[in-house]
Amino acid sequence: DIQMTQSPSSLSASVGDRVTITCQASQDIRKSLNWYQQRPGKAPELLIYDASNLETGVPSRFSGSGSGTDFTFTISSLQPQDFATYYCQQNVGLPTFGQGTKVEVK
Amino acid sequence: EVQLLESGGGLVQPGGSLRLSCSVSGFTFSNYALSWVRQAPGKGLEWVSAISGAGDGYRTWYVDSVRGRFTISRDNSRNTVYLQMNSLRAEDTAVYYCAKDKRFPDDVFDIWGQGTMVTVSS
Repeated sequence: DIQMTQSPSSLSASVGDRVTITCQASQDIRKSLNWYQQRPGKAPELLIYDASNLETGVPSRFSGSGSGTDFTFTISSLQPQDFATYYCQQNVGLPTFGQGTKVEVK
Repeated sequence: EVQLLESGGGLVQPGGSLRLSCSVSGFTFSNYALSWVRQAPGKGLEWVSAISGAGDGYRTWYVDSVRGRFTISRDNSRNTVYLQMNSLRAEDTAVYYCAKDKRFPDDVFDIWGQGTMVTVSS
């Protein structure tokens, strides 16, 4: 199985901050990396697919980059509705998720 | 509008069985792969199982921890995917989400249901 290591596991930030989350795969996954947002009590929502493609309807403050084993997810200017947990997920082999990053109010 | 609606969750004793259903609407059901993804209380996401669409012969896949105990299936006439769960364990306690592949089959989950809670406890 391909292991996904996400960091940090949590972070504190303020509205307007730039937020960056990293995800590392245990082997080369090319650009087969997706990012999801999950608000408390809600289902996850797809934000970024294929490492850097913005899902339809997702605000442009969200972005992703990387290939191979190292990936980055960025929120350029944190908004109140962005306080949530974010997960990376690879889709080369059987799907696996990172452990999540909780973005909390500073 | 694309919608997925799970049902069938509940409280079951260890060793028991439960069948989850995911009813879908708003897209050509037979063409798409669907997965079950679960989330234990306070924990992260874990992919559980998938079934492919017509173009890929309705193949099935499972995470190691449920292989041999869970069975995924689909009924294209009812636009429904099922997860039959047998020999349930306490560690199967979770919210179970149904999720649709974005494209032919790619395990990019673009639409999710609201989830159904499964509690395994005596």
